[in-house]
Amino acid sequence: RKEVEQDPGPFNVPEGATVAFNCTYSNSASQSFFWYRQDCRKEPKLLMSVYSSGNEDGRFTAQLNRASQYISLLIRDSKLSDSATYLCVVNSYTGGFKTIFGAGTRLFVKA
Amino acid sequence: ETGVTQTPRHLVMGMTNKKSLKCEQHLGHNAMYWYKQSAKKPLELMFVYSLEERVENNSVPSRFSPECPNSSHLFLHLHTLQPEDSALYLCASSQVRTDSGNTIYFGEGSWLTVV
Repeated sequence: RKEVEQDPGPFNVPEGATVAFNCTYSNSASQSFFWYRQDCRKEPKLLMSVYSSGNEDGRFTAQLNRASQYISLLIRDSKLSDSATYLCVVNSYTGGFKTIFGAGTRLFVKA
Repeated sequence: ETGVTQTPRHLVMGMTNKKSLKCEQHLGHNAMYWYKQSAKKPLELMFVYSLEERVENNSVPSRFSPECPNSSHLFLHLHTLQPEDSALYLCASSQVRTDSGNTIYFGEGSWLTVV
């Protein structure tokens, strides 16, 4: 089992749609979580951190479910510019720090 | 404007060449990384330097040789590469904390083509 798993997609949605991605992780001792966005042929960029209580940044909502070991990203009112690959990132500190990137979920938003 | 700068942005090299990728971070971080991203593949961690000491090496071929002279600079020395080494090489940095976080910031990457 991979340490961090994401549905690769692609997710094809129309503008204005709501779309959600999940990411599961295997290490129950994982401590911090992030979502990154990567545009085609560009570097990954931090989209948002994921807090235990859930957090929202405009049209984006991130949630953490420690019991089931997954994090989620919800995008409301999708824009064409949201088309990208979304990477899930999990940090753990057992025996030294370790940062694991998921393989990413590809999103296409169409007019 | 990125706090992590990489040069060159594009590099074409022959299999017998020796070249180096350079990375500099202006964020005051205590860890630096090299990642490889091949076409349509996930990020692969190559090397991590924390406090100028290498702490992880994921069995990367010896034709890739990292160097970290100080906490702000990181090099990746390349020699006798193979065509399958053609990829995007991403440098990154972070401030490692054991309490929470470890947000990684990437440079724009160096596109490497081996011919």
